[in-house]
Amino acid sequence: AQKITQTQPGMFVQEKEAVTLDCTYDTSDPSYGLFWYKQPSSGEMIFLIYQGSYDQQNATEGRYSLNFQKARKSANLVISASQLGDSAMYFCAMREGGGSQGNLIFGKGTKLSVKP
Amino acid sequence: NAGVTQTPKFRILKIGQSMTLQCTQDMNHNYMYWYRQDPGMGLKLIYYSVGAGITDKGEVPNGYNVSRSTTEDFPLRLELAAPSQTSVYFCASSYRRSEKLFFGSGTQLSVL
Repeated sequence: AQKITQTQPGMFVQEKEAVTLDCTYDTSDPSYGLFWYKQPSSGEMIFLIYQGSYDQQNATEGRYSLNFQKARKSANLVISASQLGDSAMYFCAMREGGGSQGNLIFGKGTKLSVKP
Repeated sequence: NAGVTQTPKFRILKIGQSMTLQCTQDMNHNYMYWYRQDPGMGLKLIYYSVGAGITDKGEVPNGYNVSRSTTEDFPLRLELAAPSQTSVYFCASSYRRSEKLFFGSGTQLSVL
């Protein structure tokens, strides 16, 4: 079974609108971390946001927020006020285990295209 | 502000050739990783290291070798290259295993 599932291979959003990229995860470990990375067409991987399983509040970083629904095992990325520069691949990733345990497991990604 | 540096950026190999992908980081990170990214897929972990002299296998280690003689450097060795190793390779590092990864710019490798 996949540990990280991103069900949207591709999405379109109008510039200045908000968009939600879905991510569900599968783990029985009570301690885990969830990450979102952006990969523009240039290829580099850019860290966006992190949510720990014990964090009480949803993480936010500027225009990025993470809609963390623990019971549903979902960690959707919300991008507000989309910009043309947001067009990229977006990867959700999970780290299982607390402290020094666990490596990152990545989903297959969602390609976001922002229309002017 | 070098961060994680990978070389080369592009390489074409013939089947059966060998090569080493270089990775160095200047952030004094303990943890270093090698991932591969196949078209339309996420990243898969090849090898990782928790410090100088300590390495371990990830999800897809076959056909690769690594070494970590210093904190800064983590080269990835491909022996007897095969077409299945055509991929984009990323090196990454982190101070702690649970923290965000800093990635290099990637190496696009084609084995023909």
